[in-house]
Parts: sequence; structure tokens; C-alpha cells
Amino acid sequence: DAGVTQSPTHLIKTRGQHVTLRCSPISGHKSVSWYQQVLGQGPQFIFQYYEKEERGRGNFPDRFSARQFPNYSSELNVNALLLGDSALYLCASSQREVRGFLSYGYTFGSGTRLTVV
Amino acid sequence: AQSVTQPDIHITVSEGASLELRCNYSYGATPYLFWYVQSPGQGLQLLLKYFSGDTLVQGIKGFEAEFKRSQSSFNLRKPSVHWSDAAEYFCAVGYGGSQGNLIFGKGTKLSVKP
Repeated sequence: DAGVTQSPTHLIKTRGQHVTLRCSPISGHKSVSWYQQVLGQGPQFIFQYYEKEERGRGNFPDRFSARQFPNYSSELNVNALLLGDSALYLCASSQREVRGFLSYGYTFGSGTRLTVV
Repeated sequence: AQSVTQPDIHITVSEGASLELRCNYSYGATPYLFWYVQSPGQGLQLLLKYFSGDTLVQGIKGFEAEFKRSQSSFNLRKPSVHWSDAAEYFCAVGYGGSQGNLIFGKGTKLSVKP
């Protein structure tokens, strides 16, 4: 079975530009979460979507937005890129059990490495 | 604010030696606890998780972790380290409810000496 797939794997953008990152969850998973991992740090939560609705949002500016499509794939959009947005962007998929998403656990993709110059 | 602390930034052990990576989390009811491993340039792989039951949890690749509520700790252990275990290890915590985001520590980089 395919795992969580993210595209592109690497990306170089210029300050002020816009970027779109894509994620396909594991087949059957309806939840997608996005995390930002700056070099030398742990991942930080950006968004969670479940059944196409936003379920959670981390402490990120409005330049960051996301959406989930009917096939449960997801896009993360970042506008007006800053140098500080350079990071590995990770997507994680999960399924909701009776106890919630956490009891099921999250499977992460390999990430998209974004470099802003 | 909820947080996860991994006190050791970098640990070096000899191949075949035992390993313990420390993790402490801020107080919260019913924590869901996870350990992930990340190889250079890669995503995160789940080693093990805990949310109820036996406080000693077995994971993949011979890893185990013990939940100690009184110490707010969830330390990762392995009795004999292999060179392929060299990677970065992240402890993460979640607190349930309808929102399921994880809070990660800053990670511990493990180097293995031959």
C-alpha cells in the first residue's frame, strides 16, 4: 500500500512568492495534518483537516492556508514567502477512531523541502 | 502552554551499548505519547505510542518506552544499539479531544560509534 505521498520533494522560491504543497493520505484515511519543521527543531503543527473541514489550526500567520479535497488529498498554501518559511513541510494522515485521532496515530510523509531565497 | 522537553540534544553511544533517551511533558490529563525517528532528509517514522494500559510499551526495531505519570516522563530505551539506529529521535504528546495535533520536542540526535 502506498504511504503518505507529498509533492514536490524539493522547491526553491523567491521572497514574496506564493507556494502550493500537496499531500495524498494513505488510502482510507480521512484526516490530513500539516507540520513545519525548521532545521534543528521538532515539527510544529500548522493545520488539521478531517472530512474536508478544518479541525485545528496552529500558531501560524494568515499567510498560511490549506484545504482538503473530496478525495481527502490536501494542499498547503503559503503567500508572501519570507526567508523564515524555509523548512521541511510534513504531511501526516490518520483515521478517526472512537477515542479520536491520537489513539490511531499519525503516519508522516517524507516531506517537501522548501527553500526561500 | 503544553510542551515536551528532550533534555539531550546529542547523544553518542557505542554499538552494542544500551540506550535511553529522555522525554518529559508538561502536565495534562490523558496524554497520548509517541516516539518518532527521523533519518536525514526523511520524514518521521513511528516507533511506538502509548495512551492507556501497560505502562511499558514495545515498539518496532527493538525499542521500548516506559510511561511514568508521577515523573511526567516517557523515556525511550533499547538494550543494544545498532549502527543503523543513528538518526534523530522525537518525542511527541497529544491531549485528545476532537483536535488531534501533536506537540513535539526538539529532538535528540543519536550517533553510534563502531
